[in-house]
Amino acid sequence: DQQVKQNSPSLSVQEGRISILNCDYTNSMFDYFLWYKKYPAEGPTFLISISSIKDKNEDGRFTVFLNKSAKHLSLHIVPSQPGDSAVYFCAARVNFGNEKLTFGTGTRLTIIP
Amino acid sequence: EAEVAQSPRYKITEKSQAVAFWCDPISGHATLYWYRQILGQGPELLVQFQDESVVDDSQLPKDRFSAERLKGVDSTLKIQPAELGDSAMYLCASSLRMGKDNEQFFGPGTRLTVL
Repeated sequence: DQQVKQNSPSLSVQEGRISILNCDYTNSMFDYFLWYKKYPAEGPTFLISISSIKDKNEDGRFTVFLNKSAKHLSLHIVPSQPGDSAVYFCAARVNFGNEKLTFGTGTRLTIIP
Repeated sequence: EAEVAQSPRYKITEKSQAVAFWCDPISGHATLYWYRQILGQGPELLVQFQDESVVDDSQLPKDRFSAERLKGVDSTLKIQPAELGDSAMYLCASSLRMGKDNEQFFGPGTRLTVL
């Protein structure tokens, strides 16, 4: 039972354009969402997060949007840069108890120079 | 910058052998997590410690996997005996404490190949 889904295994975007990565979830108890970025041979690194009380959170070139009614979130990267090429994981958790993260399967983003 | 340390980075073993992975969290981080990431999937939590106590090990295959954090600092994850399906990346993460909005920091992982 995949509670967090990233339906696009890969995405290619021209440098300078917008990258949009999507994530859907099924568990209505999730109330905190995170995006992690992972380079080969490294562990995931935290990128940006959003609480369910918000619908948008912005940090520099990265913006996360949350649509609770659709159980959908997206990560926008503008402008995309070659260093953004990585695997991006969406994760969710219930914000009480043990903060267990449930991850999606990841989207490999390739920025084309 | 403080980092989560893991060793070894790579491990190749034969089926039915025992393997062990080590993790040293960021200094002062009370909460430690072990995740398993199978190729093509996202990380899945195996076990979570708060100090030296297990908080969640519901996804740990306890017939062959064990984890300990005896002094509430570094941790060891063991598999005995290893099976072919255990081939995966084993990630350790730590966070300052349990609580709202607490960020988890990941180590580089140990890639296990079982032959």
